[in-house]
Amino acid sequence: NAGVMQNPRHLVRRRGQEARLRCSPMKGHSHVYWYRQLPEEGLKFMVYLQKENIIDESGMPKERFSAEFPKEGPSILRIQQVVRGDSAAYFCASSPRTAYSNQPQHFGDGTRLSIL
Amino acid sequence: DQQVKQNSPSLSVQEGRISILNCDYTNSMFDYFLWYKKYPAEGPTFLISISSIKDKNEDGRFTVFLNKSAKHLSLHIVPSQPGDSAVYFCAASGETSGSRLTFGEGTQLTVNP
Repeated sequence: NAGVMQNPRHLVRRRGQEARLRCSPMKGHSHVYWYRQLPEEGLKFMVYLQKENIIDESGMPKERFSAEFPKEGPSILRIQQVVRGDSAAYFCASSPRTAYSNQPQHFGDGTRLSIL
Repeated sequence: DQQVKQNSPSLSVQEGRISILNCDYTNSMFDYFLWYKKYPAEGPTFLISISSIKDKNEDGRFTVFLNKSAKHLSLHIVPSQPGDSAVYFCAASGETSGSRLTFGEGTQLTVNP
């Protein structure tokens, strides 16, 4: 999975704290996607961003979660006031163009978020 | 609403034999399908894809078959190798779902030496 870089790989937070997850897409990719995987489940779409724009956030919880992909720097998934149910693996993927052009998304190794 | 389903949580095969992983979908608007392989503590790795205008796509030991009328796709791995042991996810996307991928729950493949 070299190419899409996520950090940190592991993040531990106490309930009520903030979690910030970072994702740098593959070189040349301008489309970023965030997915969440709960234990024993498949990946669930959260949000799709292009530089400086949120294109589709239909999978994002309505409260406490936000995402950005600034003109410079990595994409950030931010979770405010974390709760135990936020414990999961969060994966970022990138593609050079949208899925309309049938381009596969390539994934990073994820951030494992644990809430104490 | 589980639009992509992998009904077999696990599959065990002997090295050298064929592995067949299955996936069913319900959304008739899906038109692009992918298979990913995932090792523990790593992200999914893209294996092979197929668009709805085809019914078969082959890449080395991996072949994906698509049956649109049955809304069913399968991944064949032949010959299977111990290094193929991993969780396999099928995923789908289409015009109405935008660019997001909808994943199945995964199938744990174990290839025994």
